[in-house]
Amino acid sequence: QSVLTQPPSVSGAPGQRVTISCTGSSSNIGAHFDVNWYQQLPGTAPKLLMYGYASRPSGVPDRFSGSKSGTSASLAITGLQAEDEADYYCQSYDSSLSLVVFGGGTKLTVL
Amino acid sequence: EVQLVESGGGLVQPGRSLRLSCTASGFNFSDYAMSWVRQAPGKGLEWVGFIKSKGNGETTEYAASVKGRFTISRDDSKNIAYLQMNSLKTEDTAVYYCSKTVVVGASDYFDYWGQGTLVTVSS
Repeated sequence: QSVLTQPPSVSGAPGQRVTISCTGSSSNIGAHFDVNWYQQLPGTAPKLLMYGYASRPSGVPDRFSGSKSGTSASLAITGLQAEDEADYYCQSYDSSLSLVVFGGGTKLTVL
Repeated sequence: EVQLVESGGGLVQPGRSLRLSCTASGFNFSDYAMSWVRQAPGKGLEWVGFIKSKGNGETTEYAASVKGRFTISRDDSKNIAYLQMNSLKTEDTAVYYCSKTVVVGASDYFDYWGQGTLVTVSS
């Protein structure tokens, strides 16, 4: 069971907007440690998608955005495209465990 | 262009050892922390540990599941990070990724990843 909780799956039609939640606690997201997001396309290595809650690395489209509220963070994808179909992971730091933690991952299906 | 190439994976019996290497290029290797993250077949990502830069004391940290069995080291003259894995267990079976790590206080993130190397622990 992951310290950061994500829904196992989300889906949306092309062009739609989807959000993926990442729920933590007062020892990680609630303690103001950053949340970072990774995209893992089928059969490939993870790729950094978002860091520091809402900053995008160079090359990541602005269709991807991040936010945080309390002990949760969210990744939003607008204008959904077929190539967005992938697994998405949130990541932070937990001060109680003193280690880096990942969410369990969310599989995005583009209908 | 940043490139990370893992090597050294393979089939190993329980209780044996294996050393993985991560050869880096395209950035000033000695300035950055390096991390290892693994992914068991069909499962999510699990942080294994990291080693900070020499300038930050080459500090290492490990996940509880590998502490005392795994050791991360680095050779800045060769741009290589290592993951020494001892007393391997079947549950260590996974693809192991190395990643260039940006240290932001405790809010580290992994901005580049290698392609991964598969370690299978089985008799």
